[in-house]
Amino acid sequence: KAGVTQTPRYLIKTRGQQVTLSCSPISGHRSVSWYQQTPGQGLQFLFEYFSETQRNKGNFPGRFSGRQFSNSRSEMNVSTLELGDSALYLCASSSPRNTEAFFGQGTRLTVV
Amino acid sequence: DQQVKQNSPSLSVQEGRISILNCDYTNSMFDYFLWYKKYPAEGPTFLISISSIKDKNEDGRFTVFLNKSAKHLSLHIVPSQPGDSAVYFCAASGYYGGSQGNLIFGKGTKLSVKP
Repeated sequence: KAGVTQTPRYLIKTRGQQVTLSCSPISGHRSVSWYQQTPGQGLQFLFEYFSETQRNKGNFPGRFSGRQFSNSRSEMNVSTLELGDSALYLCASSSPRNTEAFFGQGTRLTVV
Repeated sequence: DQQVKQNSPSLSVQEGRISILNCDYTNSMFDYFLWYKKYPAEGPTFLISISSIKDKNEDGRFTVFLNKSAKHLSLHIVPSQPGDSAVYFCAASGYYGGSQGNLIFGKGTKLSVKP
């Protein structure tokens, strides 16, 4: 069974630009969550999508948004990038009967 | 305010000895706890979990203990191996509104196992 796939693995963007990250969950998993990892803050929850609907949202500004498609694939978008958005962005998927979340390898975003 | 706390940023242990990683939480609504292991530039890997109805769960060299009254859990690794060297994250979630909520993570403890 293929794991959670995130693309791209690495990304360099300039301040003010926008970026879209992609996540393909494990087959059969309908819940996709996004997390931001920075050295000082650890893993912080961004949002969760389930059956194309945002079910939970963390404490991030509106520049961070996401969506989920009918095949459960999810995208995350960050607009008007700031230097502080540089981080490892992790996607996790879980099945309705499991509370364990399985993570992808992440997308390393660097904003210059 | 941090709901899940890992107060030790780092831990160094000799190979073959026991590693004990600790985690405290403040939200009494949490009913499921997990430990993840993370290597640099990789996503966290699920290790072991425990439901709040249990006080111990064992999987090979890994055992998680939960003390609900103290709002404390710990991960024991016995015996520790150099390959266990990584950052370990404690995470918690609660069941809200008919579904399991998102994971709240601690800031991690970097474990170094010396040969």
